[in-house]
Amino acid sequence: AQTVTQSQPEMSVQEAETVTLSCTYDTSESDYYLFWYKQPPSRQMILVIRQEAYKQQNATENRFSVNFQKAAKSFSLKISDSQLGDAAMYFCAYRSFIGANSKLTFGKGITLSVRP
Amino acid sequence: SAVISQKPSRDICQRGTSLTIQCQVDSQVTMMFWYRQQPGQSLTLIATANQGSEATYESGFVIDKFPISRPNLTFSTLTVSNMSPEDSSIYLCSVDTGSYEQYFGPGTRLTVT
Repeated sequence: AQTVTQSQPEMSVQEAETVTLSCTYDTSESDYYLFWYKQPPSRQMILVIRQEAYKQQNATENRFSVNFQKAAKSFSLKISDSQLGDAAMYFCAYRSFIGANSKLTFGKGITLSVRP
Repeated sequence: SAVISQKPSRDICQRGTSLTIQCQVDSQVTMMFWYRQQPGQSLTLIATANQGSEATYESGFVIDKFPISRPNLTFSTLTVSNMSPEDSSIYLCSVDTGSYEQYFGPGTRLTVT
């Protein structure tokens, strides 16, 4: 079974600065998907970014980018120019490439606070 | 992406009663999922609901406690039966649009007294 580990429960960043959230995972599969979700206090889960394991290029979405290290099974999220609205809980998630019914496996999440 | 709504957004219920949560999506989707999230915690998958077949439950969750309906490709319900305070959680539905991405509803905050 796959596991996703987010070892840092909390992080804080100054507004306009850059912060990196860490995630590691364990799998025996070679093809899979990785995601970062954001959950603000409103509790709406928002998909931030997605990475396909077969792609070597790191995914980027505006101020959000990932550092995907397949050999190390590491998938960190970098938030540039942090804004107050980035304050939320962030979850790393894994999904197998195989099977239409494949489910998401989530990490425990990390709470990010942004200091004005 | 998909726009997903849930009803109710929150409720306070007495132990021993049941609550049915509705999930509506704005487009037809094959797979819908129900999750439970306790405050400050991660998401735990309850079951996967495919239209036209029985829901598939994860370990620790049973149909008698969490019956699920999936009458069509845009709608599903989750019932939390014979509730106890331990069932107090946020319940979220999500959908797979076919691109391996899951999109989530706004959640239902349930408090059992």
